[in-house]
Amino acid sequence: GEDVEQSLFLSVREGDSSVINCTYTDSSSTYLYWYKQEPGAGLQLLTYIFSNMDMKQDQRLTVLLNKKDKHLSLRIADTQTGDSAIYFCAEKITDSWGKLQFGAGTQVVVTP
Amino acid sequence: DAEITQSPRHKITETGRQVTLACHQTWNHNNMFWYRQDLGHGLRLIHYSYGVHDTNKGEVSDGYSVSRSNTEDLPLTLESAASSQTSVYFCASSESSQLGGEQYFGPGTRLTVT
Repeated sequence: GEDVEQSLFLSVREGDSSVINCTYTDSSSTYLYWYKQEPGAGLQLLTYIFSNMDMKQDQRLTVLLNKKDKHLSLRIADTQTGDSAIYFCAEKITDSWGKLQFGAGTQVVVTP
Repeated sequence: DAEITQSPRHKITETGRQVTLACHQTWNHNNMFWYRQDLGHGLRLIHYSYGVHDTNKGEVSDGYSVSRSNTEDLPLTLESAASSQTSVYFCASSESSQLGGEQYFGPGTRLTVT
């Protein structure tokens, strides 16, 4: 199957910005997602971007999409301890009725 | 409020036993999915369903089966549990759409096979 790749770990100081990167393989993918998983919980949708957009901003979150390089990033401004979690990027699989391909997840640790 | 639930939340079983994990959603979604989560592998799709009586294999379906007799439930059965199936299992559901497909996840079931 297609591989979605992410770095596995990111450490950031409280108050700094975090940037989580992801590369995907399906250039026809219409939607790309960022999910957040807190310890012992399921995944929750954080934000998404449609493929005809380059950028989406939602409060402290900024998503950048570079379709040419198939690169997706999530920037969290003013990172807080509550942002410590695993972040997954996912792409909608073309011509499917809702299947997503997930990356392995990036563990973000926020230090005081 | 609509939700998706899984039971049990934790299960310990022995090698060779049959185990069934339950998933129930009240979103009235057509699509339901089962994933396993293992360190370093992220989420891997086991089985999925696009509607009642529809089931499909995912990338890691060997040793697992599902059936969909109604919209709300998609139970996952391990026919003969193996230690390699020790994992955290997540169920998800979504609307059926060619355009989007946000998936809503359950809280997970931690399964240990001894």
